Amino acid sequence: GAVVSQHPSWVICKSGTSVKIECRSLDFQATTMFWYRQFPKQSLMLMATSNEGSKATYEQGVEKDKFLINHASLTLSTLTVTSAHPEDSSFYICSARKQGSTEAFFGQGTRLTVV
Amino acid sequence: DQQVKQNSPSLSVQEGRISILNCDYTNSMFDYFLWYKKYPAEGPTFLISISSIKDKNEDGRFTVFLNKSAKHLSLHIVPSQPGDSAVYFCAASDGAQKLVFGQGTRLTINP
Repeated sequence: GAVVSQHPSWVICKSGTSVKIECRSLDFQATTMFWYRQFPKQSLMLMATSNEGSKATYEQGVEKDKFLINHASLTLSTLTVTSAHPEDSSFYICSARKQGSTEAFFGQGTRLTVV
Repeated sequence: DQQVKQNSPSLSVQEGRISILNCDYTNSMFDYFLWYKKYPAEGPTFLISISSIKDKNEDGRFTVFLNKSAKHLSLHIVPSQPGDSAVYFCAASDGAQKLVFGQGTRLTINP
């Protein structure tokens, strides 16, 4: 099977600081990765599509200057939450698709708490 | 605009019986549908999928049915087991790579 590793699994940070979340595809190459956000008892909302070697595509309403996405290689995408506020506290999940496959594999998720 | 809807936020089923989770969609361009299982504080785990050219796909205890005319799909789990207790999300894709998720249904299997 395909494994997607997300790190860290949880993080607590102070308001105004930045937090970086990593998403790695361990046994396959992912030209495209996706970042989702899940509020309690709600669906997974797509934030952005991360493309290797190019700029991410953000969904409507998502601040690209606040949620910085870098897809540095075929196996790594990072999401940086800049100048975090308490309302950014959420569960962030990445996913990746193998080339030629429509199945998406998800990371374990990152619980971000901003205090 | 919620393009994928799971109208039942929760479902309780007795162990050994059949669990049926439902999902409706509005976008006729969706051509691929997936079901994911999710435990708290974890990422979703892929369960089963179906292409729009099929109306049924079966994998072990899991069967997904697709009714394109009604824009409806369902996931059947039989027999239900306690380990099946989780939140189930249906998702749809229109050929682009991104998925649109429903709100999820919390399934509880009672012993």
